Amino acid sequence: DTEVTQTPKHLVMGMTNKKSLKCEQHMGHRAMYWYKQKAKKPPELMFVYSYEKLSINESVPSRFSPECPNSSLLNLHLHALQPEDSALYLCASSGWGRNYGYTFGSGTRLTVV
Amino acid sequence: GIQVEQSPPDLILQEGANSTLRCNFSDSVNNLQWFHQNPWGQLINLFYIPSGTKQNGRLSATTVATERYSLLYISSSQTTDSGVYFCAGGNKLSFGAGTTVTVRA
Repeated sequence: DTEVTQTPKHLVMGMTNKKSLKCEQHMGHRAMYWYKQKAKKPPELMFVYSYEKLSINESVPSRFSPECPNSSLLNLHLHALQPEDSALYLCASSGWGRNYGYTFGSGTRLTVV
Repeated sequence: GIQVEQSPPDLILQEGANSTLRCNFSDSVNNLQWFHQNPWGQLINLFYIPSGTKQNGRLSATTVATERYSLLYISSSQTTDSGVYFCAGGNKLSFGAGTTVTVRA
């Protein structure tokens, strides 16, 4: 299994809603990532989990709350988002040595209304 | 953080043509990768290439780590090669702005 699975694929939420994005991998990777990508821009790092512990938070607003329940799962909890948070949210994982290359999920297209 | 520059920003090719994309890094990286993003947003890892040369079908890549650059070669381009090509590297995997490739039939 060489996939990173993200759900949902599309999400529309109001500014007062609470929602969660989910990411799952079964490649035995120990590092997992959340990226945000706006239209016609490159992905930007949000969070890094290494061995299930948060190792990097790129000064992301607290309305985004990551969680890593186990080595295969990564969640991103969303609360009180703003319309400018609308973007493609990408999850990735990476192995080590020759398997270091990042594997990305297909993303969640989020629209905040 | 690491600065990543990609060139050219846009590339229009006729089907069957060859092309070279370039990526320059502001500092040494040991985890350089090339990705292709299709029109639906899926990012596919093409190469993990911290140094040397790799080939995968019609695609190949060369990284000269001592000079902090990498090249991606597309040979005999096909319409399915269209999309955005990113290089990325560094401990926070910083991405370049990408090269948008359009292959015309």
